[in-house]
Amino acid sequence: GEDVEQSLFLSVREGDSSVINCTYTDSSSTYLYWYKQEPGAGLQLLTYIFSNMDMKQDQRLTVLLNKKDKHLSLRIADTQTGDSAIYFCAELRMDSSYKLIFGSGTRLLVRP
Amino acid sequence: SAVISQKPSRDICQRGTSLTIQCQVDSQVTMMFWYRQQPGQSLTLIATANQGSEATYESGFVIDKFPISRPNLTFSTLTVSNMSPEDSSIYLCTILVRDYGYTFGSGTRLTVV
Repeated sequence: GEDVEQSLFLSVREGDSSVINCTYTDSSSTYLYWYKQEPGAGLQLLTYIFSNMDMKQDQRLTVLLNKKDKHLSLRIADTQTGDSAIYFCAELRMDSSYKLIFGSGTRLLVRP
Repeated sequence: SAVISQKPSRDICQRGTSLTIQCQVDSQVTMMFWYRQQPGQSLTLIATANQGSEATYESGFVIDKFPISRPNLTFSTLTVSNMSPEDSSIYLCTILVRDYGYTFGSGTRLTVV
C-alpha cells in the first residue's frame, strides 16, 4: 500500500538513547529521510540515507536501513529535552513524480 | 542549500473566501511541490507545480479548489479557494534539490472561521 508507518509516541529519559522506527513501502525508493518538527515550527531535514547504504552517522544521529525488511530507524544518542518534537520519516518514490511520502510521525517526549 | 520564503506565514480567513500563498526560492529549481498538514496529521502532497504547464494533482485534490501557478523556476503560488473550516491546515511549499533532498518552506498556517 501507500502507507509509511511509524509508531505514534516515544518517551525517554534525558541522557538515554532514543530509537524511532519506520517501515516504508517502495523497494525502489532511493532516498529515505528523517525530518523534525518542533511545536509550531516548520519541517527541519535532519538526515537522509541513500538506499545503497546500511548505516549513516551524523554526530548524535545514526540511521540504520534494512532494505530487505524495508525498515528504517533513527537513533538519537544522549537525548536532550530540546530533542522533544515530532519525527517524520519519508521515502522518495522514484517514479516519474519524485513524490515524497511521509509517515504519520512519532512524537518524542524527553523527560528530565 | 536553497532558501525558500513562503508568505503569508499565517492567516485567519472567513469561510467562502480564497487565499493565495506565495513561495519564492532563491535559486532556480525544476521541481516544486505543495503539501498540506492538517492539525495533528502528517504531510500530504497536494500537487507538483510544473513550470510552463499545468500542475499535477494528487488523488483527492482538484484544480478548482487548489489552483497553482508556476510562472518561472523560482516562484509558485497556491490558492485555497472557497474555504471552509476543513481547509484549516499548514500549507508547505517544498523543492527537490538534487543529491540533497527536499527543502521545506516554513509554511502557512491557515485558520478558516
